[in-house]
Amino acid sequence: GAVVSQHPSRVICKSGTSVKIECRSLDFQATTMFWYRQFPKQSLMLMATSNEGSKATYEQGVEKDKFLINHASLTLSTLTVTSAHPEDSSFYICSARTGSSYNEQFFGPGTRLTVL
Amino acid sequence: GESVGLHLPTLSVQEGDNSIINCAYSNSASDYFIWYKQESGKGPQFIIDIRSNMDKRQGQRVTVLLNKTVKHLSLQIAATQPGDSAVYFCAETPSNTGKLIFGQGTTLQVKP
Repeated sequence: GAVVSQHPSRVICKSGTSVKIECRSLDFQATTMFWYRQFPKQSLMLMATSNEGSKATYEQGVEKDKFLINHASLTLSTLTVTSAHPEDSSFYICSARTGSSYNEQFFGPGTRLTVL
Repeated sequence: GESVGLHLPTLSVQEGDNSIINCAYSNSASDYFIWYKQESGKGPQFIIDIRSNMDKRQGQRVTVLLNKTVKHLSLQIAATQPGDSAVYFCAETPSNTGKLIFGQGTTLQVKP
């Protein structure tokens, strides 16, 4: 149980285009989902927290107009990187939390974004 | 605060030896700690967790030690195997935030 999927697993796009990444909880309802970014040989950095049906809360320094997050259902959150540039190239990872366990997060497999 | 690492330290051990990976956490208000294993190109995989009211917890081949006085966390892996080769991250949850703050990570290399 507690499986989280991401789609796509990797994406290559041209500079200036927008890219949408999906995060799904497959066998549980996720009241809260988190989005992280990880640059090569670095740690995971929390970008934002999204609760189903409400606006996402962004961490300091993360542009909310550039990284659009939608959490429209209890099993799906999306991250859209708008007007992507090469410096947005990174590994994007989502995690999901159930309502019953405040601390435990289940991680997705990540999405590798490369912006040319 | 947030932890940012530019380079991951590396621990190299011989297969069969025990490994000890250390982590210094940043927030004295953190009350929940987790160790994750991350293989190349994959998401983090839960290994073991510990709450702040404990100082030691054991799992299968792994032990986590927590020293709140010096804000230090360690992961001990017994009889390290080649499949243990990965990057290991500690993570902390400041009380009542529900957020995970990741440490810088350590690369574990297991030599056959």
